[in-house]
Amino acid sequence: NAGVTQTPKFRVLKTGQSMTLLCAQDMNHEYMYWYRQDPGMGLRLIHYSVGEGTTAKGEVPDGYNVSRLKKQNFLLGLESAAPSQTSVYFCAISAGVRTQYFGPGTRLLVL
Amino acid sequence: KNEVEQSPQNLTAQEGEFITINCSYSVGISALHWLQQHPGGGIVSLFMLSSGKKKHGRLIATINIQEKHSSLHITASHPRDSAVYICAVRSSSIISSGSARQLTFGSGTQLTVLP
Repeated sequence: NAGVTQTPKFRVLKTGQSMTLLCAQDMNHEYMYWYRQDPGMGLRLIHYSVGEGTTAKGEVPDGYNVSRLKKQNFLLGLESAAPSQTSVYFCAISAGVRTQYFGPGTRLLVL
Repeated sequence: KNEVEQSPQNLTAQEGEFITINCSYSVGISALHWLQQHPGGGIVSLFMLSSGKKKHGRLIATINIQEKHSSLHITASHPRDSAVYICAVRSSSIISSGSARQLTFGSGTQLTVLP
């Protein structure tokens, strides 16, 4: 997990509340990703970015927005949280289509 | 049918045993990754391979592109190897360049090595 940090580590939200998850890296990699991990399922890609100022939708983008205003930061926003968004969220980075380095994860509980 | 299937889902072994975890996929790929998720939740990349075999310490990863199959082997297993092992593939599709940047993940194999 070296070089990739996530804030916060754990959060509890009520339905309808909003929040932003921050992913920060110090490895100068172009690609950044946001995944969610749910029991019994593989990691699923929410959104990704191939460079500063660019973002793209992944497999499960609904209910989430992202921004990459600075190369080292990738923000994941939930405008109106729903219980279905209870999950563990992982940020990852890579230098192109190569090995991905993962952050430590953020546990989110939506009541 | 999931694009990436892992077997077994759960595996319990005695310390010292030789372990094999399998991954089958249904799409053409440009690369396959093996990752390890520690009990505390952290995810670490073990291997990225597109052909043949790679070895790192007691871990060996092989891939057969024609059969769309990969295996992860652990020799002389140890309790500290207990973790979830995840297989992921990168599509080689040229239809959508976006998909070439994305990994599709298996649901993981929970390995427990008993002392």
